[in-house]
Amino acid sequence: AQSVAQPEDQVNVAEGNPLTVKCTYSVSGNPYLFWYVQYPNRGLQFLLKYITGDNLVKGSYGFEAEFNKSQTSFHLKKPSALVSDSALYFCAVRAAGSTLGRLYFGRGTQLTVWP
Amino acid sequence: EAGVTQFPSHSVIEKGQTVTLRCDPISGHDNLYWYRRVMGKEIKFLLHFVKESKQDESGMPNNRFLAERTGGTYSTLKVQPAELEDSGVYFCASSLYRGSTDTQYFGPGTRLTVL
Repeated sequence: AQSVAQPEDQVNVAEGNPLTVKCTYSVSGNPYLFWYVQYPNRGLQFLLKYITGDNLVKGSYGFEAEFNKSQTSFHLKKPSALVSDSALYFCAVRAAGSTLGRLYFGRGTQLTVWP
Repeated sequence: EAGVTQFPSHSVIEKGQTVTLRCDPISGHDNLYWYRRVMGKEIKFLLHFVKESKQDESGMPNNRFLAERTGGTYSTLKVQPAELEDSGVYFCASSLYRGSTDTQYFGPGTRLTVL
């Protein structure tokens, strides 16, 4: 069975400080991993994905994520948070080679960046 | 390029009534997905169309839910009769290819409230 855990419902950080939003996963075989962000009253926006290759993936808006196979983690990071980064973040996984397209999501982490 | 659109943005109905949600995918995207998020929980897969065919409907909760994609363009998701537990945000997503590396692009969602 495939699943994603986002252990923190809420993350609070001051503007200018680094931020980390945690994600761990469980999948049969190799994972394909995705991060999405939902701003208030908006849909899910794609941030970045890990398919293969370099464990550090760079995405939109200055975000990056590090794939760690031994820890089955895919934490989202940003060196310097902005107030405008405040949003709901979702991690998702799909098994590599799966013939099914469905994504498995975590519960989401609410990020609040205060001025 | 227009993104995924969904209609309506909000719907409030009473238990036992019928509601139909609509999704227009990105033009040219053969793959269309429906997901649902019940408040505070993870986003859960409902079903996947490839063109007009149902590729995977294993996430549909019961036979009160009916999805169609006539002509392989827009899709509708009908709930009849609606129950209280059907309340949540219904997301539609589309992707160009069926491959497991492909990125799904999401619409803004329809917030359904069943009273």
